Amino acid sequence: AQTVTQSQPEMSVQEAETVTLSCTYDTSENNYYLFWYKQPPSRQMILVIRQEAYKQQNATENRFSVNFQKAAKSFSLKISDSQLGDTAMYFCAFMKRGGSQGNLIFGKGTKLSVKP
Amino acid sequence: SQTIHQWPATLVQPVGSPLSLECTVEGTSNPNLYWYRQAAGRGLQLLFYSVGIGQISSEVPQNLSASRPQDRQFILSSKKLLLSDSGFYLCAQNSGRYNEQFFGPGTRLTVL
Repeated sequence: AQTVTQSQPEMSVQEAETVTLSCTYDTSENNYYLFWYKQPPSRQMILVIRQEAYKQQNATENRFSVNFQKAAKSFSLKISDSQLGDTAMYFCAFMKRGGSQGNLIFGKGTKLSVKP
Repeated sequence: SQTIHQWPATLVQPVGSPLSLECTVEGTSNPNLYWYRQAAGRGLQLLFYSVGIGQISSEVPQNLSASRPQDRQFILSSKKLLLSDSGFYLCAQNSGRYNEQFFGPGTRLTVL
């Protein structure tokens, strides 16, 4: 069975600074996807970024980038130039590639507060 | 694109009452659909998923049930609510090249 661990329950960062959220996972699969989702106070879950395990290049989406270390089973999220709107819960998620189910395994989340 | 509707947005129900939460999706035909529950301050727990009409898989045994009467409709039900059923319920569908999941706005359920 796959597990996803987010070891930082809460973090804070000053506006305009950079913050890194940690995520580790455990799996025996070789082909999978990893995701970061954001849940702001509105509680709408928003997909932030995805990473394909067979790609060595780290994914980036504007101010969001990941550091994917497949051998270490680590998938951290870096937020550059933090903005007040980045305040949210951040969830790391794992999905096995292929199959018909597409089930996501979530970590317990990291609450990020961006301070002015 | 994908749009997911959930109804109602907020619900307060007494213990022992029935429950029906509705999720309807637009966009992709024959999507996989999912129900998650999020307890206060916690992560998401997958409750049910469906790969097609009438096909329901349960991940966690409990007093909840799910049904998929139409391709783009997914319903979460209970005959008798428990206090422990309180939480935030999210519906999701998979879409896109990477089969990632997109979520609806959620229903906040409080059982008193």
